[in-house]
Amino acid sequence: AQSVTQPDIHITVSEGASLELRCNYSYGATPYLFWYVQSPGQGLQLLLKYFSGDTLVQGIKGFEAEFKRSQSSFNLRKPSVHWSDAAEYFCAVEGGATNKLIFGTGTLLAVQP
Amino acid sequence: DAGVTQSPTHLIKTRGQQVTLRCSPKSGHDTVSWYQQALGQGPQFIFQYYEEEERQRGNFPDRFSGHQFPNYSSELNVNALLLGDSALYLCASSLVQGYQETQYFGPGTRLLVL
Repeated sequence: AQSVTQPDIHITVSEGASLELRCNYSYGATPYLFWYVQSPGQGLQLLLKYFSGDTLVQGIKGFEAEFKRSQSSFNLRKPSVHWSDAAEYFCAVEGGATNKLIFGTGTLLAVQP
Repeated sequence: DAGVTQSPTHLIKTRGQQVTLRCSPKSGHDTVSWYQQALGQGPQFIFQYYEEEERQRGNFPDRFSGHQFPNYSSELNVNALLLGDSALYLCASSLVQGYQETQYFGPGTRLLVL
């Protein structure tokens, strides 16, 4: 069965520091992978997606993610975090013939001034 | 370009009641999916509608039902509400393009069952 694991429930970084949020997935074939961000009380905003091709994917707001098949990972990175990046981040997988998204439990990001 | 819209934004019901939530997809999209997000959890897939038919369903009881209209908008109905149905209900729309679909989410409807 498909699943997504986000090992870090809560992360705190200083403004201007780099960020990496971890995501591991379980899926038999090549997955379609997504990162979404959710501000408090809001819906989900798509940051970036991976379907195929270049394993380094660029997204909005300066975020990027790298698909590593050998590690079953799709980690999200940003070189310099801004206070406005404080939010909850969700990794999701969509598997082939099924179009439903399977989400991880999320990582809550806090940004210190 | 209007994004995904949902109504109402908040709703309070009591146990045993029924509720209807509404969703209008992003312009040009033909598929609507519904998700339930309990507090502190990731969204869980309820079901998806395409061409006015339920395309697939997650692990939710029959108390959860839906409908898609010819204009692609959708409703989620929940009967016999339980306290555990309290959650943020998210609607997502997408356009069928083979298997590579990207779902765009609305702001959600927060349901509180007392």
